[in-house]
Amino acid sequence: EPEVTQTPSHQVTQMGQEVILRCVPISNHLYFYWYRQILGQKVEFLVSFYNNEISEKSEIFDDQFSVERPDGSNFTLKIRSTKLEDSAMYFCASSPGRGNYGYTFGSGTRLTVV
Amino acid sequence: AQSVSQHNHHVILSEAASLELGCNYSYGGTVNLFWYVQYPGQHLQLLLKYFSGDPLVKGIKGFEAEFIKSKFSFNLRKPSVQWSDTAEYFCAVTRVPGTYKYIFGTGTRLKVLA
Repeated sequence: EPEVTQTPSHQVTQMGQEVILRCVPISNHLYFYWYRQILGQKVEFLVSFYNNEISEKSEIFDDQFSVERPDGSNFTLKIRSTKLEDSAMYFCASSPGRGNYGYTFGSGTRLTVV
Repeated sequence: AQSVSQHNHHVILSEAASLELGCNYSYGGTVNLFWYVQYPGQHLQLLLKYFSGDPLVKGIKGFEAEFIKSKFSFNLRKPSVQWSDTAEYFCAVTRVPGTYKYIFGTGTRLKVLA
């Protein structure tokens, strides 16, 4: 079964550093998403991406965050200057369309900001 | 704002017991509904989904869920749980029409005792 692949599985970074979380969505999917889950809290929507642009973003997704699909296969989330409160599990997901589809999620990247 | 509630945060059952996990949402319009499962150390996997039609939906691994529109509920059930069902279960909702971003519940951690 096709999978969404996320790397790294765990990243530790110092506060103020930039991090890039990488995702390889399923190859024929067109919609891409990032979600995050702070320990003990809900899974929260960050951003959706289609046709090489952001289609929706949450209030969490401020100027520190950016997404990119640089080469047609990878889908990255960049946090420019990490804060302690960015520590969370970040999930990438993709779907073939916007209609009656469920997402396929990746296994997540645990980001720890120290 | 739209929200999803899962009232059972932790459930402990013995093998062969019946399971029902509650999910309620707060949106008066049309919704798509999902249950995801996350086994320890793994990614979120789609258990089942409801878009329209028969409100009793059957999913993988013997799970089913019933959409009761008048109660804004989409409870997950399984007649006889197994030790391997130990996992965290997430209910999610998307608005229709809409951007199809998921609103997740807080999750229910299920532990099945052998």
